[in-house]
Parts: sequence; structure tokens; C-alpha cells
Amino acid sequence: EAGVTQSPTHLIKTRGQQATLRCSPISGHTSVYWYQQALGLGLQFLLWYDEGEERNRGNFPPRFSGRQFPNYSSELNVNALELEDSALYLCASSLRQGAAETQYFGPGTRLLVL
Amino acid sequence: QKEVEQDPGPLSVPEGAIVSLNCTYSNSAFQYFMWYRQYSRKGPELLMYTYSSGNKEDGRFTAQVDKSSKYISLFIRDSQPSDSATYLCAMRPNAGNMLTFGGGTRLMVKP
Repeated sequence: EAGVTQSPTHLIKTRGQQATLRCSPISGHTSVYWYQQALGLGLQFLLWYDEGEERNRGNFPPRFSGRQFPNYSSELNVNALELEDSALYLCASSLRQGAAETQYFGPGTRLLVL
Repeated sequence: QKEVEQDPGPLSVPEGAIVSLNCTYSNSAFQYFMWYRQYSRKGPELLMYTYSSGNKEDGRFTAQVDKSSKYISLFIRDSQPSDSATYLCAMRPNAGNMLTFGGGTRLMVKP
């Protein structure tokens, strides 16, 4: 069974541009989570999507947004890129089974903002 | 103060040693506790998952949760060079799916 997949693996952008990152969850998983792992800041929760709806949002500005498609894949968009957005962006997925969901992570997209 | 504190290391041990990794937390609402292993330039891989207080063993790995002390541990027996990675603790409450992570401990097991 395939795990969580993310594309692209690496992305280089300049300040002010927009970045689009993509995630495909494990087959059968309906929840998708996005995390940012910046150097020195650790893993921080960004967004949670389930059944096409945004369910929760971390402490990030509105220029971080996303969506979940009918096939449960997801897209993270980062507008007006800033240098400090350089980080590893991780996507995770889980089954929606009450409170005991386990999140499985993809390999991440490494975003570099110049 | 961060909600979840974890010694960043690096922790260097000889092959075969018993490794103890720890996290402390401040939010008493946390009920689910996880340990992830992350190799360099890879995504985190789930190692252990526990609910509430107690111990859980899986092969060479044992996870302990002491909710009264707000303290969780991961023990690795007979450590191997392939265990060299960053270990992240993560936790969340009953309600909501957001995981709160510790900063990670970098472990190096020397042959």
C-alpha cells in the first residue's frame, strides 16, 4: 500500500511569489494535515482538512491557505512568499475514526525562498 | 514556555546501549502520546502510540507515559547505528486532531 505522497520534493521561489504544494493521502484516509518544519522552530501545525472542509488552523497568517479535493488529495498555497517561509512542509493523513486517529507523514516538500 | 519540551541533544551512545529519550509537557488535556523517528531529509515515521498513562512495548522500543508528572519517555534497547535519527515526541487532547510536537532529540549511535 502506498504511503502519503507529496510533490514537488523541492521548490525554489523568490520573495513575493506564490507556492503550491500537493499531497496525496494514504488510500482510504479522509483527513489531511499540513505542518511546517522550519529550522530551529520544530514541527508546527498549519491546517487540517477533512471531507473537503477546513477543520482547524494553526497560528499562521491567511496567506497560508489550502483545499482538499473530492479524492481527498490536498493542496497548500503560500502567497506573497517571505524568506522565513523557507522550510520543510509535511503532509500527514489519517482515518477519521473518532479520537484515536494516527497521523502518517509524507516525505515533505522542501521550499526555499530566495 | 513551550507546551512540549524536549532536550535537543545531540545524544551520542555506543552501539548496544540503552537509550532514554524524554519529553515534558504543560497541557493536562493531552491524552494521546506518540513518538516519531525522522531520518535526515525525510518525513517523520510513527514509532509508538499510547493513550493515557502506562507502558507500551514494541520490539526494542518501550514508551512510558506518566500523566501525573506530565512526562513521557521512549526507551531503545540494544541500540543500533540505524537508530541514528531525530526522535520527536507528539501529543494531542481528546478533542481536535492537531498534534503538538517537541523540538526533537538528535540521537547518534556509534558502531
